[in-house]
Amino acid sequence: AQKITQTQPGMFVQEKEAVTLDCTYDTSDPSYGLFWYKQPSSGEMIFLIYQGSYDQQNATEGRYSLNFQKARKSANLVISASQLGDSAMYFCAMREGLTQGGSEKLVFGKGTKLTVNP
Amino acid sequence: DTGVSQNPRHKITKRGQNVTFRCDPISEHNRLYWYRQTLGQGPEFLTYFQNEAQLEKSRLLSDRFSAERPKGSFSTLEIQRTEQGDSAMYLCASSPWGGFGHEKLFFGSGTQLSVL
Repeated sequence: AQKITQTQPGMFVQEKEAVTLDCTYDTSDPSYGLFWYKQPSSGEMIFLIYQGSYDQQNATEGRYSLNFQKARKSANLVISASQLGDSAMYFCAMREGLTQGGSEKLVFGKGTKLTVNP
Repeated sequence: DTGVSQNPRHKITKRGQNVTFRCDPISEHNRLYWYRQTLGQGPEFLTYFQNEAQLEKSRLLSDRFSAERPKGSFSTLEIQRTEQGDSAMYLCASSPWGGFGHEKLFFGSGTQLSVL
């Protein structure tokens, strides 16, 4: 089974509007972290936001917020007030076993291509 | 520029040849990671180092692949006897390690390998 599922291959949004990018995950580990990265056409992955499994509140970083629904195992990224520069690939990722010295690897989804229209 | 640097940006090689990529992490970061990304997919973990010690290797890393990080500074990834299936973007990332697991990775721009 896939650990990270991103069901939207592509999304379109008008400039200045909000957009939600979906991410569901699969783990039996009680301690894990969820990350979102942005990959523009230049190729460099850029960290956006982090949510820990024990965090009580949804993470926010400027225009980015994470809608964390633990029971549903979803961690959707919300981008408010979209800008043309937000056009890029967006990847959801998970690291498991945070408190038991688990694997250091991040497992990534297949990504969602976001296009912001003027 | 104090970001993660990867060289070369592009590499074209013939099947069967050996290739080597270099990664220079952010200087104060003691952790260094290698990922591989094929078209239409997210990055896949290959290996990581803490200082000079290689602590984890993916099963994806066949015996044709070897990575080193001498003296805990830059790292090299070598692929021997390249195959067409090795064509991919090879991404390097570094991070500090605070022991919490939520440290973000800083990625380089990658090396695009094309095996003809």
